[in-house]
Amino acid sequence: DAKTTQPPSMDCAEGRAANLPCNHSTISGNEYVYWYRQIHSQGPQYIIHGLKNNETNEMASLIITEDRKSSTLILPHATLRDTAVYYCIVRVPRDDKIIFGKGTRLHILP
Amino acid sequence: SAVISQKPSRDICQRGTSLTIQCQVDSQVTMMFWYRQQPGQSLTLIATANQGSEATYESGFVIDKFPISRPNLTFSTLTVSNMSPEDSSIYLCSVRGGEGRYGYTFGSGTRLTVV
Repeated sequence: DAKTTQPPSMDCAEGRAANLPCNHSTISGNEYVYWYRQIHSQGPQYIIHGLKNNETNEMASLIITEDRKSSTLILPHATLRDTAVYYCIVRVPRDDKIIFGKGTRLHILP
Repeated sequence: SAVISQKPSRDICQRGTSLTIQCQVDSQVTMMFWYRQQPGQSLTLIATANQGSEATYESGFVIDKFPISRPNLTFSTLTVSNMSPEDSSIYLCSVRGGEGRYGYTFGSGTRLTVV
């Protein structure tokens, strides 16, 4: 079973920041938080990952709470092309496989 | 990052027949993964395929229904056997090795419709 809980859907206005929450209350000390997204009719795409510190790359920022029981993916300036299903996954990096939960369907509104 | 070519991209098949899906990677990889995505659902891992050994199947998936080949480090096939309409799904292959450390790359998928 997936170790994360995400809201099934969210809306965000174009140009605004999209904040996608994820609960992972049973996360272990050596498990990372990964985010992937799946745009319609495509395979999932890696976005970002982190352990305990906040992370930022060209796509997004990842904010992890101090107790590591939850995190937020931030898309700073959402565009229509960010409409997708976003998956939050926890795993040990050397794990051989990814188990997907249900994800959050993000709708970007024009 | 690795580039995956998956064939066919889509197919419509008669029930009772079998379809073999091919996954070609542009670099050598140890493990390849096969997923199923039923309509409107998330991805479910079918099996992990190592070169030179039997594939490891997840609970609910069996080799007779989803035989997998892994003849070398850049290629794998998944066969969906004796198909029924319930097998209508998108099937995706994936490899470790992509953007970000420990990232995974996914193929674009095979959309299968069984009639």
